[in-house]
Amino acid sequence: SQQGEEDPQALSIQEGENATMNCSYKTSINNLQWYRQNSGRGLVHLILIRSNEREKHSGRLRVTLDTSKKSSSLLITASRAADTASYFCATDGGSNYKLTFGKGTLLTVNP
Amino acid sequence: DAGITQSPRHKVTETGTPVTLRCHQTENHRYMYWYRQDPGHGLRLIHYSYGVKDTDKGEVSDGYSVSRSKTEDFLLTLESATSSQTSVYFCAIGAASGAYEQYFGPGTRLTVT
Repeated sequence: SQQGEEDPQALSIQEGENATMNCSYKTSINNLQWYRQNSGRGLVHLILIRSNEREKHSGRLRVTLDTSKKSSSLLITASRAADTASYFCATDGGSNYKLTFGKGTLLTVNP
Repeated sequence: DAGITQSPRHKVTETGTPVTLRCHQTENHRYMYWYRQDPGHGLRLIHYSYGVKDTDKGEVSDGYSVSRSKTEDFLLTLESATSSQTSVYFCAIGAASGAYEQYFGPGTRLTVT
């Protein structure tokens, strides 16, 4: 069964706008990760946030984590056409080395 | 995809035939994983390895077996392929400690007719 579930399933925005994707999960975690997948390619790690962190930044990415609500959000600011991809959250269920992925959010950034 | 290769990249096979997919890494990472990706299901773990000759089942292991005789190679075998195993298969690697992110290979598209 899927541990993480992303919302929305699909998101279409204009270049320059911000994109927000959400992830909900069911069990306790050590950390939560976000990955990007361009069409026809493998997943690429974006950012990891530990269970004792509430917010983390990396370039144009901002991730928040609310362990009380078992949810996370990924914000991409000033989006570009090159950000068009599927975005997945992944949780470890406490194992550290084994991840469970959600079904992903398909982000389309229109030029 | 640096440091991880998968072979073959594409394969078409018939129902009932055995198929072996290979994952090769040059990063010397301890953990290796096989996932399948299907529309509507996302990415699901098939099997993983935590060392040479040490493997364990994932969420969707039925019909699949794995072997790891060397640190760098992780093989996924479909003993008798079925149409339900048509999918895109991804290999991933992970370090033993510190950061726990996984690094993915380019994928193998398998079609079982």
